[in-house]
Amino acid sequence: GAGVSQSPSNKVTEKGKDVELRCDPISGHTALYWYRQSLGQGLEFLIYFQGNSAPDKSGLPSDRFSAERTGGSVSTLTIQRTQQEDSAVYLCASSPGQGLGTDTQYFGPGTRLTVL
Amino acid sequence: GNSVTQMEGPVTLSEEAFLTINCTYTATGYPSLFWYVQYPGEGLQLLLKATKADDKGSNKGFEATYRKETTSFHLEKGSVQVSDSAVYFCALHPSTQKLVFGQGTRLTINP
Repeated sequence: GAGVSQSPSNKVTEKGKDVELRCDPISGHTALYWYRQSLGQGLEFLIYFQGNSAPDKSGLPSDRFSAERTGGSVSTLTIQRTQQEDSAVYLCASSPGQGLGTDTQYFGPGTRLTVL
Repeated sequence: GNSVTQMEGPVTLSEEAFLTINCTYTATGYPSLFWYVQYPGEGLQLLLKATKADDKGSNKGFEATYRKETTSFHLEKGSVQVSDSAVYFCALHPSTQKLVFGQGTRLTINP
């Protein structure tokens, strides 16, 4: 079946504007993750959703970042008042959520965000 | 805490050379270990994984063995090809479900 999809693939915005990034996980996967890949920081965890449980937001770098997952499927990552240091590739991943620590996470192609 | 240390790149080899990319980890409990690969212009793909000590993951000629005694998960391939040029990430997956990644190693294979 289809893999994880993300949109847009590229986003250029001006400093101070808000942006929304979308992720469609693999159908039937209950777990969804957001990561950020940047030159200086490598790959960083941002937020994790598992079913109907409260999300693990421990990786969000500031309160300008938030994420929702509607109906246990599609997720939106929102960055308010963007800053230049937010420029990065934002990756979404999903997994079946069947086992702690043994699940394989499947990644989308990412959204490249550039803040001017 | 949990962390992954990867061999720093970039690594440049000739086709058919032997490849080793070192990866060591620090973790509480018994995490699963992964190698992900990112080909130019593409997203992260799982290359192989191992879920417990002494397990060997393998795929596309690559292998890595989960060594608890040395806290290592080194990636090896006996004969690399130009098409193996990519960035390789070692990662651990503790029970908290978040993947913890190494910094990545860029591999270039010359014909």
